[in-house]
Amino acid sequence: KAGVTQTPRYLIKTRGQQVTLSCSPISGHRSVSWYQQTPGQGLQFLFEYFSETQRNKGNFPGRFSGRQFSNSRSEMNVSTLELGDSALYLCASLLQPNTEAFFGQGTRLTVV
Amino acid sequence: DQQVKQNSPSLSVQEGRISILNCDYTNSMFDYFLWYKKYPAEGPTFLISISSIKDKNEDGRFTVFLNKSAKHLSLHIVPSQPGDSAVYFCAARDSGGGADGLTFGKGTHLIIQP
Repeated sequence: KAGVTQTPRYLIKTRGQQVTLSCSPISGHRSVSWYQQTPGQGLQFLFEYFSETQRNKGNFPGRFSGRQFSNSRSEMNVSTLELGDSALYLCASLLQPNTEAFFGQGTRLTVV
Repeated sequence: DQQVKQNSPSLSVQEGRISILNCDYTNSMFDYFLWYKKYPAEGPTFLISISSIKDKNEDGRFTVFLNKSAKHLSLHIVPSQPGDSAVYFCAARDSGGGADGLTFGKGTHLIIQP
């Protein structure tokens, strides 16, 4: 079966712009969570969605937001981009909350 | 404050030998633990998990041991193969409603020497 699909794979944006990243979970999975990976901070939890509702949110500013659609696909949005937002953004697919998380290949965002 | 710590940034092991990766945690509310393997420019790949009601879980060449009193877990890979060379992340979760999703360690880079 198809894995977790994240688009785009690579993205270059300018400071102050906004960006939307997309994630399609494994078929049948209803929960999606997002993580940011940077060399300094490692993998950090952004937020988790289940049945179109945000269940949990990590310690990130309000510029980071997300949503989940009825087909379980999810998007995350970062507004007013800063240089420090440059990172690998990873989406994880879960059958339901509190089960194993399966990750996509990530979107590499570079802010210049 | 790091709640999940992997104190060895790197580990070198000879092919065919046992690789032991260690992980310590501080949050006593964590009740589910996972190990992931990651190659550069790819997402983490799930390897094995363990619930806090167990002290050992085995899957093929991978075994995870959990010592709750010491707040310590380890991943054993036997025998180690060249394809095991990657960064390994330990992750933990508070399934009882913790707001932080999975908490990851900083990773250990495992290098398998031929």
